[in-house]
Amino acid sequence: GNSVTQMEGPVTLSEEAFLTINCTYTATGYPSLFWYVQYPGEGLQLLLKATKADDKGSNKGFEATYRKETTSFHLEKGSVQVSDSAVYFCALSPYNQGGKLIFGQGTELSVKP
Amino acid sequence: NAGVTQTPKFQVLKTGQSMTLQCAQDMNHEYMSWYRQDPGMGLRLIHYSVGAGITDQGEVPNGYNVSRSTTEDFPLRLLSAAPSQTSVYFCASSYSILSRGAQGEAFFGQGTRLTVV
Repeated sequence: GNSVTQMEGPVTLSEEAFLTINCTYTATGYPSLFWYVQYPGEGLQLLLKATKADDKGSNKGFEATYRKETTSFHLEKGSVQVSDSAVYFCALSPYNQGGKLIFGQGTELSVKP
Repeated sequence: NAGVTQTPKFQVLKTGQSMTLQCAQDMNHEYMSWYRQDPGMGLRLIHYSVGAGITDQGEVPNGYNVSRSTTEDFPLRLLSAAPSQTSVYFCASSYSILSRGAQGEAFFGQGTRLTVV
């Protein structure tokens, strides 16, 4: 079946630190991969995406590369800010199964000044 | 452009009551979905639809019904509320990328926080 596993949180970093949140997946075929972010009290917003192997998604200084050989889509940012404090979700959309998203459990990030 | 609109934002129900969570999108997306979010469990798919008149079950469908009579609307019905249905519910819409058999990013509503007592 399809599944997503994220590193557990919470993750606490100082401002300007390097961020990595690990995400691995299990899926048949060629899923699309996403990172969503949820700020307190809000819905989810797309952070970045990749639809095929070796694609790199990037947005607001965050990056993730679709690695089919390691079934991974790790999220990275070189220098985090206090405003990046949020919950981050890795998700996959199975190939040819529109409307379905499979989420990881989420990783809470707290950035201290 | 409103995107995905969910109502209500908050609701308290007594065990056994029924209610409908409303969801509407104005982006002409073919796909719509309902998720519930519980602490430490991410979001889990309840039901989804690939177009008007077509719905299917997700991971946790028991106790919920859906229908999709129009492209824009996708209501979620709780038939007889139970405390285990206390959760935050999110509706989402998305679109297909036919050339890749993939779907584009999902757009989420603001959520409905439901408490069943």
